[in-house]
Amino acid sequence: EDQVTQSPEALRLQEGESSSLNCSYTVSGLRGLFWYRQDPGKGPEFLFTLYSAGEEKEKERLKATLTKKESFLHITAPKPEDSATYLCAVQSYGGSQGNLIFGKGTKLSVKP
Amino acid sequence: DAGVIQSPRHEVTEMGQEVTLRCKPISGHDYLFWYRQTMMRGLELLIYFNNNVPIDDSGMPEDRFSAKMPNASFSTLKIQPSEPRDSAVYFCASSSNRGGTEAFFGQGTRLTVV
Repeated sequence: EDQVTQSPEALRLQEGESSSLNCSYTVSGLRGLFWYRQDPGKGPEFLFTLYSAGEEKEKERLKATLTKKESFLHITAPKPEDSATYLCAVQSYGGSQGNLIFGKGTKLSVKP
Repeated sequence: DAGVIQSPRHEVTEMGQEVTLRCKPISGHDYLFWYRQTMMRGLELLIYFNNNVPIDDSGMPEDRFSAKMPNASFSTLKIQPSEPRDSAVYFCASSSNRGGTEAFFGQGTRLTVV
């Protein structure tokens, strides 16, 4: 069964304090790993797609990396506006083909 | 494109009543997904369609839930009769193909059953 586990559940940072969020996964053949950002009262907003181990993607202060078992979302010098819940999801070739299996997310709070 | 559009944004109903949630996917997208989000279980897939045809409804919790997609630009999720445990945020999402392409989400419908 495809599974996604995110850690920590919540993370509090001071503005400028860099850190990383973890997404561990087990899938029957990874088609893609996705990172989303969700603000309160809104739908998840797409950030990145990673397809193979060793791949990296960057967007502003965010950098996503992928290994065969996990993905990290690195946040460099975060700002208060980076506060949100970050969701990781996987899509597999087998099992639940065609749909995204989500982790429960990491709630990030960045204090000024 | 305006993105995925869901209505209503909020719905409060009494137990036993019928509830219908609506979704308009992004034009040109041939996959449509219905998700439910709760604090306890996170985002769970209920059902998804490809070219208006239901492909996997194994996530639909009970026979009280049903979903339709009569055409490429409209889908509904119906709960009849509704129960308090159905209270959650329901999201619709669409994507352009199945293989490794991101899904775009609507703003969600917050359902409260009292």
